[in-house]
Amino acid sequence: GQNIDQPTEMTATEGAIVQINCTYQTSGFNGLFWYQQHAGEAPTFLSYNVLDGLEEKGRFSSFLSRSKGYSYLLLKELQMKDSASYLCAVRDSNYQLIWGAGTKLIIKP
Amino acid sequence: IAGITQAPTSQILAAGRRMTLRCTQDMRHNAMYWYRQDLGLGLRLIHYSNTAGTTGKGEVPDGYSVSRANTDDFPLTLASAVPSQTSVYFCATSSGYRDGGADTQYFGPGTRLTVL
Repeated sequence: GQNIDQPTEMTATEGAIVQINCTYQTSGFNGLFWYQQHAGEAPTFLSYNVLDGLEEKGRFSSFLSRSKGYSYLLLKELQMKDSASYLCAVRDSNYQLIWGAGTKLIIKP
Repeated sequence: IAGITQAPTSQILAAGRRMTLRCTQDMRHNAMYWYRQDLGLGLRLIHYSNTAGTTGKGEVPDGYSVSRANTDDFPLTLASAVPSQTSVYFCATSSGYRDGGADTQYFGPGTRLTVL
């Protein structure tokens, strides 16, 4: 079966750096996405990786290793507004997104 | 209209009743999707449409139907609601261009449905 694994919850301190990991086993691979979802709101797109390596976008970076079935989202200079759930999703061979259950990130002052 | 709208925002429904969740976009995207989101689970695809006039089944289609008469609208119907359909429902759209780009999905604000 297809599977996306990410930690259920993480806690970090304001101003620090946090890395959220995602491992996947899917039938085919056509890209990996990270979304941010604040409580009670819709998911919003953060990043897309299709080739191995690091994609940087401001305070957020996303890394992909296709051979290891692994990605991480790196958040720098954490702010209180970064408290949210972070969703990892992989596009499979049928071009459908398979979603992880999300990682709830709690930022403490 | 700006982006993707969904209606209603929330609804409490008696089991056995018929319900249609509405989704409208003004992004001129070809592809549209319906997901449900339940606590502790990832988003699960119910139905999708790659272009107007076509629809397809996702991971959890049973008990749901969709239609895509035009580009902008993609309603989701529960013919006879059951308590297990209590969930948050998100509509999403993407350009649908499989040209090697991201074809990112963008989400509507969601409908919170409770079936009693």
